Amino acid sequence: GQNIDQPTEMTATEGAIVQINCTYQTSGFNGLFWYQQHAGEAPTFLSYNVLDGLEEKGRFSSFLSRSKGYSYLLLKELQMKDSASYLCAVRAYPSSGGSYIPTFGRGTSLIVHP
Amino acid sequence: DTAVSQTPKYLVTQMGNDKSIKCEQNLGHDTMYWYKQDSKKFLKIMFSYNNKELIINETVPNRFSPKSPDKAHLNLHINSLELGDSAVYFCASSQVERGRQETQYFGPGTRLLVL
Repeated sequence: GQNIDQPTEMTATEGAIVQINCTYQTSGFNGLFWYQQHAGEAPTFLSYNVLDGLEEKGRFSSFLSRSKGYSYLLLKELQMKDSASYLCAVRAYPSSGGSYIPTFGRGTSLIVHP
Repeated sequence: DTAVSQTPKYLVTQMGNDKSIKCEQNLGHDTMYWYKQDSKKFLKIMFSYNNKELIINETVPNRFSPKSPDKAHLNLHINSLELGDSAVYFCASSQVERGRQETQYFGPGTRLLVL
């Protein structure tokens, strides 16, 4: 099975930088995703990492270290609209064979205040 | 144009009833999913279909039966609804290609409340 851990809640100030960590334990790793989910809405894709290193996309960056089972999502120049839940999801191929299974963490609720 | 659509958006029903949720995607993706998000916001995969064939079937009660008439549609039928089935059900689609960039597009969700 897979074990995905991320903080339950974080707070930050508008204009600041925040880093949301995600650790995972899995075999057959095949990629890690970050999603943003506003209250009452569907998750939306933010980033995908399958190789070690940093992927940058505008104000959002995501980092992966496969050897450490660790990823983070970095949000710069925080805006009030960034207040949302951020979901870390790991894709892995089961040892029993078959297609990959995506598993989501419980999400980190980020509150951005003025 | 809506990429992944679900109907209905809200569903309130009595325990013991049978209900269906429909999902359609116009992205031409091969793979579709059903997820359940509980009151604690934990998102858990239920089923996945690739080109109308079931490829993932997580531990879900037999009362839940997915049906894929074609690769653009994945419907979810639930028999004998129970209180614990109350949740938000998300449909999603993706194009699965080994080792390449991939993303999932989620539908707006169906909020099911069982009374």
